[in-house]
Amino acid sequence: DAKTTQPPSMDCAEGRAANLPCNHSTISGNEYVYWYRQIHSQGPQYIIHGLKNNETNEMASLIITEDRKSSTLILPHATLRDTAVYYCIVSSYNNQGGKLIFGQGTELSVKP
Amino acid sequence: ETGVTQTPRHLVMGMTNKKSLKCEQHLGHNAMYWYKQSAKKPLELMFVYNFKEQTENNSVPSRFSPECPNSSHLFLHLHTLQPEDSALYLCASSQGGWASGRGSQETQYFGPGTRLLVL
Repeated sequence: DAKTTQPPSMDCAEGRAANLPCNHSTISGNEYVYWYRQIHSQGPQYIIHGLKNNETNEMASLIITEDRKSSTLILPHATLRDTAVYYCIVSSYNNQGGKLIFGQGTELSVKP
Repeated sequence: ETGVTQTPRHLVMGMTNKKSLKCEQHLGHNAMYWYKQSAKKPLELMFVYNFKEQTENNSVPSRFSPECPNSSHLFLHLHTLQPEDSALYLCASSQGGWASGRGSQETQYFGPGTRLLVL
């Protein structure tokens, strides 16, 4: 499974866009990029995922570079409730199942 | 609400006790997972079940015993635990089936977790 590298922490002003980077230089062709977040002591929450194309949903946008070696999660208008640890994960599935290998993530602090 | 529930939410047990954690998913999924999250550490995958069959045991000690009676329910039976087993135990589910390229169907949805303290 490809590994990811994320900054350990970031700050963002409330109402501004939060851009969370992720490097996954060893990603292979069948591996997806997933983003989850975990608010303190709660279960991880799925945000978005993608393979090659940029993706957008009601929570966030995912920008994947053309070479797929890095990606950026964008929260367009961060609120205080977006304060959480954000995990970037690359994952693929085979006949043995799926693995989400969680790293340390980025601790995002949204400040008033 | 993710459609995955876990009970109890908090559990305190002695090292000689036997207890069980329960997970139930209401999403019609076929795969279920147990993860462990110790303080200040990333989540660690423990077990994977697909259509009630165990497909992954990530070198978990035998004092943790999973059970999957059907695709909607998953249990983790605990006995003679150690204080270092204190952690947040998370259950997740996904569509299952494991066909390659089905990234959308393999998104995992997590429950709120059980906070376990072993004294």
